Amino acid sequence: GENVEQHPSTLSVQEGDSAVIKCTYSDSASNYFPWYKQELGKGPQLIIDIRSNVGEKKDQRIAVTLNKTAKHFSLHITETQPEDSAVYFCAATPAAQKLVFGQGTRLTINP
Amino acid sequence: GAVVSQHPSRVICKSGTSVKIECRSLDFQATTMFWYRQFPKKSLMLMATSNEGSKATYEQGVEKDKFLINHASLTLSTLTVTSAHPEDSSFYICSARDMGTASDEQFFGPGTRLTVL
Repeated sequence: GENVEQHPSTLSVQEGDSAVIKCTYSDSASNYFPWYKQELGKGPQLIIDIRSNVGEKKDQRIAVTLNKTAKHFSLHITETQPEDSAVYFCAATPAAQKLVFGQGTRLTINP
Repeated sequence: GAVVSQHPSRVICKSGTSVKIECRSLDFQATTMFWYRQFPKKSLMLMATSNEGSKATYEQGVEKDKFLINHASLTLSTLTVTSAHPEDSSFYICSARDMGTASDEQFFGPGTRLTVL
């Protein structure tokens, strides 16, 4: 089945700097790749997603890139702010709408 | 935007009792809902896919008799943890897709923290 690997597991950046989180997937049939932000004690919230027919998508300070050939996709957050501190999960959809999640990245923004 | 609610948000129960968790799509209909389990500082693991009007599809290793799922309407799915034990303590999260759109987006509930004493 699909396997999603996410790195790094923790990331600490200075406020205003950029943060990059990377994921790889194994199933070439996966065609939908969302990124979620989860705050402590809450459910995941979608922050951006990309489909396999697109290479890059941007929404204000957040962008996602996808390399289908290499089977990896990345989340880029620019001009980081303290409220960006949270756990971020990538996911891939191999079949039947199922989501397979990466292990998560704990992002800390230092003021 | 689409909202998914869960009830209760927290529950503490004694070992051996059963606990029911509700997942509702508040402003959209969903033929399919998903139940996840999340241990502290870990990722979300899909437990089962809940299908309106039919049996749920369970992931490998998930006991269907232990985790009973019912999806009786297009806005409600329930997860019942039967004869709960301390190892069932976890954060349970549901999600749903809006059947009225072609979007792949899943909307997640706020989660239910179950503690079994």
